Amino acid sequence: EAGVTQFPSHSVIEKGQTVTLRCDPISGHDNLYWYRRVMGKEIKFLLHFVKESKQDESGMPNNRFLAERTGGTYSTLKVQPAELEDSGVYFCASSQDGEDLYEQYFGPGTRLTVT
Amino acid sequence: GQQLNQSPQSMFIQEGEDVSMNCTSSSIFNTWLWYKQEPGEGPVLLIALYKAGELTSNGRLTAQFGITRKDSFLNISASIPSDVGIYFCAGQLVTSYGKLTFGQGTILTVHP
Repeated sequence: EAGVTQFPSHSVIEKGQTVTLRCDPISGHDNLYWYRRVMGKEIKFLLHFVKESKQDESGMPNNRFLAERTGGTYSTLKVQPAELEDSGVYFCASSQDGEDLYEQYFGPGTRLTVT
Repeated sequence: GQQLNQSPQSMFIQEGEDVSMNCTSSSIFNTWLWYKQEPGEGPVLLIALYKAGELTSNGRLTAQFGITRKDSFLNISASIPSDVGIYFCAGQLVTSYGKLTFGQGTILTVHP
């Protein structure tokens, strides 16, 4: 069974540019999450999709961040325009429903550097 | 703000030694999880705990869900070089659905 995949693995962009990150969850997982780890700090929750719907987007930093999950399959996270403080590693995770909701499986992450 | 305090921040040990790390909070959690992250990879789930007082093992790893539901512990016995990595605790607050709150991580270095 394929794990969570993320693309790209690294992205270096200039302040003011736009970047789109992609996540493909484990097949059959209705729940998809985005998290971010800024250098040296804890991994922080951004948002949670259940199928194509946003269940919780309380962790999204501001309106420069837009997440979508078309058809309840893969998800994209767009940052527009990027700022220096957006640098960090963006993780995607997925899980099944029910009692396995919190057994979240993480992708390798996308390292975003904004210069 | 920060809701999970994980300690220690880093550990340097000799191969064969036992390791203990913990996470504490002023908030109550319904679920505790422990993850390990290696360079270039995402966090990998090691152990999940669902009930206060629960003690669960996964090979040389043992984790416990604290009785007060505000803390959790991870022990690694007889460490080996491949145990090197960053260990994260994560929990599900009673007030949240889906969202995990993470500790700052414990960086483990094992000297052969």
